[in-house]
Amino acid sequence: GAVVSQHPSRVICKSGTSVKIECRSLDFQATTMFWYRQFPKQSLMLMATSNEGSKATYEQGVEKDKFLINHASLTLSTLTVTSAHPEDSSFYICSAETGDPYEQYFGPGTRLTVT
Amino acid sequence: AQRVTQPEKLLSVFKGAPVELKCNYSYSGSPELFWYVQYSRQRLQLLLRHISRESIKGFTADLNKGETSFHLKKPFAQEEDSAMYYCALNTGRRALTFGSGTRLQVQP
Repeated sequence: GAVVSQHPSRVICKSGTSVKIECRSLDFQATTMFWYRQFPKQSLMLMATSNEGSKATYEQGVEKDKFLINHASLTLSTLTVTSAHPEDSSFYICSAETGDPYEQYFGPGTRLTVT
Repeated sequence: AQRVTQPEKLLSVFKGAPVELKCNYSYSGSPELFWYVQYSRQRLQLLLRHISRESIKGFTADLNKGETSFHLKKPFAQEEDSAMYYCALNTGRRALTFGSGTRLQVQP
């Protein structure tokens, strides 16, 4: 099946710095990718929809200037957490969609810890 | 707004017992429902979708529009079924709305 990778798998950064997380579809092209956030023992919450070649669509309550998304190619989307704060510490998961049949393939996630 | 409800955080059964993981949704349009599974230390993966009406690893789920439910069932649980199960709804926006998840523990 289709494979989605994320890099890094975990990152620790200091408060105020920025962190970039990459999401790649390894063996298929994905026009659309999604970024989710998962708090401990909670479900996945959609943050934004990343569209190749256009601006991302953010969910209500998600600061677009804080969570910068770039989808420059059909196999790569990046999420940059700018000026990170401890409350941004979380598990970030990306997914990439395929066409017919519709399915989303998920990356393994990136654990961000802001100290 | 769309919503997915999984009322049970934890479901513990013995090996060989039947399993039913509950999922209810709210959406005014025509929904597309999925069940995703996350085994320990692994990524989320698709278990089954309602439109294919297939059985994967012995699991089945039927969409009941009258009750707005999509419960996941298996007649005889196996220890390897222990995992986190998420019900998800696609409302046509292509992004998925997830339920809060149910942890299934199958005891020997």
